[in-house]
Amino acid sequence: NAGVTQTPKFRVLKTGQSMTLLCAQDMNHEYMYWYRQDPGMGLRLIHYSVGEGTTAKGEVPDGYNVSRLKKQNFLLGLESAAPSQTSVYFCASKPARGPRIYEQYFGPGTRLTVT
Amino acid sequence: AQSVAQPEDQVNVAEGNPLTVKCTYSVSGNPYLFWYVQYPNRGLQFLLKYITGDNLVKGSYGFEAEFNKSQTSFHLKKPSALVSDSALYFCAVRESDNAGNMLTFGGGTRLMVKP
Repeated sequence: NAGVTQTPKFRVLKTGQSMTLLCAQDMNHEYMYWYRQDPGMGLRLIHYSVGEGTTAKGEVPDGYNVSRLKKQNFLLGLESAAPSQTSVYFCASKPARGPRIYEQYFGPGTRLTVT
Repeated sequence: AQSVAQPEDQVNVAEGNPLTVKCTYSVSGNPYLFWYVQYPNRGLQFLLKYITGDNLVKGSYGFEAEFNKSQTSFHLKKPSALVSDSALYFCAVRESDNAGNMLTFGGGTRLMVKP
């Protein structure tokens, strides 16, 4: 199993440009999450999904949109990038049942720079 | 609302010595508590959790943590540190009835183990 994968690994955007980050998981997990990691601030939840076709806002959703059209994929979109969105973005997933119900599995991250 | 504090940005310890990484939390109801570790340029990896039961929980790589309800703390410990334990450690909390199973992370503590 590949686990949780993220595409792309690195990206540089100019202010105002748009992009989509793709997260894919092959563990048949119901829950998926998008976080951003900034120095000294830990991880902050942007949006999450409790199942295919459902999404909800997290702690810092402004400037981002998400979609979960397929259970295995969770897309994070930036419609008009701003320098404040320069960060490392992590996707995570977790099962809804079973022995590892409490554990989130993280992807390797996407480093985004907005100039 | 749920929150986590990691009061130390960095902890330095000599190899072979015991280590402690501190975490305090705040939740409205019963807490579920977690420790994750992040190695350079990697996503977070689950270390251990407290859900209920014994206040001392054991996890991966010889780590353990003690849940103290009266002090609202969940400190990470290891009896004998290894150089390979050097990494960024995150404490996380969620309320037991949190519908989205959303975690709130602390700001992280960098552990440096010197030979």
